[in-house]
Amino acid sequence: NAGVTQTPKFQVLKTGQSMTLQCAQDMNHNSMYWYRQDPGMGLRLIYYSASEGTTDKGEVPNGYNVSRLNKREFSLRLESAAPSQTSVYFCASNGQGSQPQHFGDGTRLSIL
Amino acid sequence: SQKIEQNSEALNIQEGKTATLTCNYTNYSPAYLQWYRQDPGRGPVFLLLIRENEKEKRKERLKVTFDTTLKQSLFHITASQPADSATYLCALAMDSSYKLIFGSGTRLLVRP
Repeated sequence: NAGVTQTPKFQVLKTGQSMTLQCAQDMNHNSMYWYRQDPGMGLRLIYYSASEGTTDKGEVPNGYNVSRLNKREFSLRLESAAPSQTSVYFCASNGQGSQPQHFGDGTRLSIL
Repeated sequence: SQKIEQNSEALNIQEGKTATLTCNYTNYSPAYLQWYRQDPGRGPVFLLLIRENEKEKRKERLKVTFDTTLKQSLFHITASQPADSATYLCALAMDSSYKLIFGSGTRLLVRP
Protein backbone atom coordinates (compact mmCIF):
# COMPACT_ATOMS: atom_id res chain seq x y z
CA ASN A 1 0.00 0.00 0.00
CA ALA A 2 2.82 2.41 -0.89
CA GLY A 3 0.83 5.14 -2.72
CA VAL A 4 3.30 7.75 -4.02
CA THR A 5 6.99 7.04 -3.39
CA GLN A 6 9.69 9.68 -3.81
CA THR A 7 13.44 9.16 -3.83
CA PRO A 8 15.71 10.39 -2.43
CA LYS A 9 14.27 11.85 0.79
CA PHE A 10 17.19 14.25 1.28
CA GLN A 11 19.91 15.58 -1.00
CA VAL A 12 22.60 18.25 -0.87
CA LEU A 13 24.02 19.53 -4.13
CA LYS A 14 26.58 22.10 -5.16
CA THR A 15 25.64 24.90 -7.52
CA GLY A 16 25.85 23.68 -11.10
CA GLN A 17 25.41 19.99 -10.34
CA SER A 18 22.59 18.02 -11.94
CA MET A 19 20.10 15.74 -10.23
CA THR A 20 17.00 13.69 -11.01
CA LEU A 21 14.23 13.29 -8.47
CA GLN A 22 12.24 10.10 -8.84
CA CYS A 23 8.54 9.54 -8.26
CA ALA A 24 6.45 6.40 -8.63
CA GLN A 25 2.79 5.67 -7.87
CA ASP A 26 1.04 2.33 -7.59
CA MET A 27 -2.59 3.53 -7.78
CA ASN A 28 -2.92 3.28 -11.58
CA HIS A 29 -3.45 7.04 -11.75
CA ASN A 30 -3.39 8.80 -15.10
CA SER A 31 -2.10 12.18 -13.89
CA MET A 32 1.06 13.09 -12.02
CA TYR A 33 2.45 16.38 -10.71
CA TRP A 34 5.60 18.00 -9.36
CA TYR A 35 5.38 20.83 -6.81
CA ARG A 36 7.86 22.79 -4.77
CA GLN A 37 7.10 24.11 -1.28
CA ASP A 38 8.98 27.05 0.20
CA PRO A 39 8.52 28.62 3.67
CA GLY A 40 5.58 31.01 3.78
CA MET A 41 4.46 30.07 0.29
CA GLY A 42 1.94 27.60 -0.96
CA LEU A 43 2.78 24.58 -3.03
CA ARG A 44 3.67 25.77 -6.53
CA LEU A 45 3.18 23.57 -9.56
CA ILE A 46 6.35 23.00 -11.57
CA TYR A 47 5.19 20.52 -14.23
CA TYR A 48 2.37 18.04 -14.62
CA SER A 49 1.51 15.09 -16.80
CA ALA A 50 -2.19 14.70 -17.52
CA SER A 51 -1.65 11.24 -18.97
CA GLU A 52 1.14 8.94 -20.05
CA GLY A 53 3.03 10.52 -22.94
CA THR A 54 2.11 14.15 -22.15
CA THR A 55 3.73 16.81 -20.00
CA ASP A 56 2.88 20.48 -19.47
CA LYS A 57 4.38 23.45 -17.70
CA GLY A 58 2.98 24.67 -14.44
CA GLU A 59 3.55 27.96 -12.63
CA VAL A 60 7.34 27.72 -12.09
CA PRO A 61 8.92 25.47 -14.77
CA ASN A 62 12.16 27.38 -15.41
CA GLY A 63 15.29 25.40 -14.56
CA TYR A 64 13.48 22.04 -14.55
CA ASN A 65 12.70 19.25 -16.97
CA VAL A 66 10.42 16.26 -16.55
CA SER A 67 9.96 12.81 -18.03
CA ARG A 68 6.84 10.65 -17.82
CA LEU A 69 8.67 7.36 -18.15
CA ASN A 70 5.52 5.21 -18.04
CA LYS A 71 2.17 5.33 -16.29
CA ARG A 72 3.77 4.76 -12.87
CA GLU A 73 6.82 7.00 -12.98
CA PHE A 74 7.36 10.74 -13.36
CA SER A 75 10.84 12.19 -12.83
CA LEU A 76 12.01 15.77 -12.29
CA ARG A 77 15.46 16.85 -13.44
CA LEU A 78 17.54 19.85 -12.43
CA GLU A 79 20.17 20.26 -15.15
CA SER A 80 22.27 22.92 -13.41
CA ALA A 81 21.20 23.42 -9.82
CA ALA A 82 20.99 26.94 -8.38
CA PRO A 83 20.62 28.02 -4.72
CA SER A 84 17.14 29.38 -5.57
CA GLN A 85 16.06 25.78 -6.19
CA THR A 86 16.62 24.87 -2.54
CA SER A 87 13.19 23.65 -1.53
CA VAL A 88 11.04 20.68 -0.61
CA TYR A 89 9.76 18.91 -3.72
CA PHE A 90 6.52 16.96 -3.71
CA CYS A 91 5.19 14.56 -6.27
CA ALA A 92 1.45 13.88 -6.47
CA SER A 93 -0.95 11.82 -8.57
CA ASN A 94 -4.66 11.47 -9.26
CA GLY A 95 -7.03 9.81 -11.66
CA GLN A 96 -7.83 13.03 -13.51
CA GLY A 97 -7.86 16.81 -13.08
CA SER A 98 -10.56 17.50 -10.51
CA GLN A 99 -9.97 14.49 -8.30
CA PRO A 100 -8.08 14.72 -4.99
CA GLN A 101 -4.35 14.45 -5.30
CA HIS A 102 -2.25 11.90 -3.44
CA PHE A 103 1.15 13.18 -2.34
CA GLY A 104 4.47 11.60 -1.56
CA ASP A 105 6.42 12.66 1.52
CA GLY A 106 8.78 14.92 -0.38
CA THR A 107 12.44 15.32 -1.25
CA ARG A 108 14.31 17.93 0.78
CA LEU A 109 16.87 19.46 -1.53
CA SER A 110 19.60 21.92 -0.49
CA ILE A 111 21.82 23.61 -3.03
CA LEU A 112 24.98 25.25 -1.73
CA SER B 1 -4.06 36.18 -11.50
CA GLN B 2 -5.95 34.19 -8.90
CA LYS B 3 -4.60 34.38 -5.35
CA ILE B 4 -5.45 32.55 -2.18
CA GLU B 5 -5.08 33.95 1.31
CA GLN B 6 -4.94 31.86 4.44
CA ASN B 7 -4.19 33.25 7.86
CA SER B 8 -0.44 32.88 8.35
CA GLU B 9 -0.77 33.16 12.12
CA ALA B 10 -1.23 29.90 13.99
CA LEU B 11 -4.63 29.18 15.46
CA ASN B 12 -4.37 28.05 19.06
CA ILE B 13 -7.48 26.51 20.64
CA GLN B 14 -8.52 24.36 23.58
CA GLU B 15 -9.37 20.70 23.09
CA GLY B 16 -13.10 20.18 22.58
CA LYS B 17 -13.68 23.57 20.93
CA THR B 18 -14.47 24.13 17.26
CA ALA B 19 -11.60 25.26 15.06
CA THR B 20 -12.50 27.50 12.13
CA LEU B 21 -9.98 28.16 9.38
CA THR B 22 -10.45 30.70 6.60
CA CYS B 23 -9.54 30.63 2.92
CA ASN B 24 -10.13 33.80 0.89
CA TYR B 25 -9.58 34.11 -2.83
CA THR B 26 -9.44 37.01 -5.25
CA ASN B 27 -10.89 37.43 -8.70
CA TYR B 28 -12.99 34.67 -10.18
CA SER B 29 -14.88 31.96 -8.36
CA PRO B 30 -13.13 28.61 -8.62
CA ALA B 31 -14.83 25.54 -10.02
CA TYR B 32 -13.99 23.69 -6.82
CA LEU B 33 -12.01 24.00 -3.66
CA GLN B 34 -10.08 21.32 -1.76
CA TRP B 35 -8.75 21.17 1.79
CA TYR B 36 -5.63 19.22 2.75
CA ARG B 37 -3.89 18.45 6.01
CA GLN B 38 -0.09 18.51 6.25
CA ASP B 39 1.96 17.18 9.16
CA PRO B 40 5.62 18.20 9.65
CA GLY B 41 7.91 16.34 7.29
CA ARG B 42 5.01 14.74 5.40
CA GLY B 43 3.12 15.39 2.20
CA PRO B 44 -0.38 16.90 2.20
CA VAL B 45 -3.32 14.55 2.71
CA PHE B 46 -6.70 15.25 1.09
CA LEU B 47 -9.63 15.95 3.41
CA LEU B 48 -12.61 17.46 1.58
CA LEU B 49 -13.65 18.84 -1.82
CA ILE B 50 -16.48 21.33 -2.39
CA ARG B 51 -17.75 22.46 -5.79
CA GLU B 52 -18.92 25.95 -6.77
CA ASN B 53 -22.58 24.92 -6.75
CA GLU B 54 -22.36 23.46 -3.22
CA LYS B 55 -22.79 25.49 -0.06
CA GLU B 56 -21.57 22.96 2.48
CA LYS B 57 -19.88 19.57 2.75
CA ARG B 58 -19.43 17.40 5.83
CA LYS B 59 -17.29 14.43 6.76
CA GLU B 60 -17.36 13.18 10.34
CA ARG B 61 -16.10 16.11 12.49
CA LEU B 62 -15.14 18.19 9.45
CA LYS B 63 -17.28 20.75 7.65
CA VAL B 64 -16.45 22.99 4.70
CA THR B 65 -18.52 25.91 3.46
CA PHE B 66 -18.17 27.84 0.21
CA ASP B 67 -19.50 31.40 -0.17
CA THR B 68 -18.97 32.71 -3.69
CA THR B 69 -20.34 36.15 -2.71
CA LEU B 70 -17.74 36.62 0.02
CA LYS B 71 -15.13 34.73 -2.04
CA GLN B 72 -14.42 32.60 0.98
CA SER B 73 -14.32 29.03 2.21
CA LEU B 74 -14.46 28.12 5.90
CA PHE B 75 -13.12 24.85 7.28
CA HIS B 76 -14.45 23.70 10.64
CA ILE B 77 -13.24 20.95 12.94
CA THR B 78 -15.73 20.27 15.72
CA ALA B 79 -14.78 18.70 19.07
CA SER B 80 -11.13 19.33 18.25
CA GLN B 81 -8.43 17.00 19.59
CA PRO B 82 -4.67 17.42 20.02
CA ALA B 83 -4.26 14.94 17.14
CA ASP B 84 -5.90 17.54 14.87
CA SER B 85 -2.83 19.77 15.30
CA ALA B 86 -1.33 20.24 11.84
CA THR B 87 -1.15 22.72 8.98
CA TYR B 88 -4.28 22.93 6.83
CA LEU B 89 -3.98 23.92 3.18
CA CYS B 90 -6.67 25.30 0.95
CA ALA B 91 -6.42 24.71 -2.82
CA LEU B 92 -8.61 25.85 -5.65
CA ALA B 93 -9.03 25.12 -9.34
CA MET B 94 -10.58 27.47 -11.84
CA ASP B 95 -12.00 24.64 -13.92
CA SER B 96 -11.77 20.89 -14.16
CA SER B 97 -8.19 21.25 -15.35
CA TYR B 98 -5.14 19.85 -13.67
CA LYS B 99 -3.82 23.01 -12.08
CA LEU B 100 -4.46 23.53 -8.39
CA ILE B 101 -3.50 26.81 -6.71
CA PHE B 102 -2.52 26.30 -3.07
CA GLY B 103 -2.64 28.70 -0.17
CA SER B 104 0.31 28.84 2.21
CA GLY B 105 -1.65 27.10 4.95
CA THR B 106 -2.74 27.81 8.50
CA ARG B 107 -1.16 25.99 11.43
CA LEU B 108 -3.64 24.68 14.01
CA LEU B 109 -2.57 23.89 17.57
CA VAL B 110 -5.06 22.12 19.83
CA ARG B 111 -4.12 22.29 23.51
CA PRO B 112 -5.08 19.34 25.75
